[in-house]
Amino acid sequence: DIQVTQSPSSLLASLGERVTITCQTSQSISNNLNWYQQKPGQAPMLLIYYATSLQTGMPSRFSGQYSGRSFTLTITSLEPEDIANYFCLQHYSAPWTFGGGTKLELK
Amino acid sequence: EVQLVESGGGLVQPGRSLKLSCAASGFTFSNYYMAWVRQAPTKGLEWVASITNSGGSTYYRDSVKGRFTISRDNAKSTLYLQMDSLRSEDTATYYCTREDYPGITLDYWGQGVMVTVSS
Repeated sequence: DIQVTQSPSSLLASLGERVTITCQTSQSISNNLNWYQQKPGQAPMLLIYYATSLQTGMPSRFSGQYSGRSFTLTITSLEPEDIANYFCLQHYSAPWTFGGGTKLELK
Repeated sequence: EVQLVESGGGLVQPGRSLKLSCAASGFTFSNYYMAWVRQAPTKGLEWVASITNSGGSTYYRDSVKGRFTISRDNAKSTLYLQMDSLRSEDTATYYCTREDYPGITLDYWGQGVMVTVSS
């Protein structure tokens, strides 16, 4: 199985701050990685697909990049509604595997 | 609007069975693969099982093979997960997901349903 290592596991940030979350895969997966946002008690929502494509309806302050086996999710300017858990998913090779998640909290 | 609503969770004793359901709406259910994903308390997410749009093929993670059965009723736009011989390690929130395969893969998720396996 492809291992996905996500960091950090938790993150304190201030409103307006630039936030970056990273997923590293154990082998090359091309761009087959998604990012999700999950708020307490809500269904996870797709943010970014194929590593860099913003899902329809998601704010443009979210972006994704990748280089080799390293993938990043960036929030350019943190808004209150961005406080949530974030996780990544590789869908290059079955079984699909997930990063461990990042809990984003306000400083 | 795509909606996935799970039901059927609860507390069950080890070795017993439970069947989860997921009612889908807002899209043509029979056109999509579907999947179940779970998250144990304080643990990460893990894919559990997938089923093709016709229901003709199913796929499972090793730890549930032979115990769980994923199925669907396209006429009712409903996905199922029959869970037999439950173990304490199956305790988790189970999410129904739409699997846009090949493609974006898990693009829509339900809110999840809790399954607790305990005596």
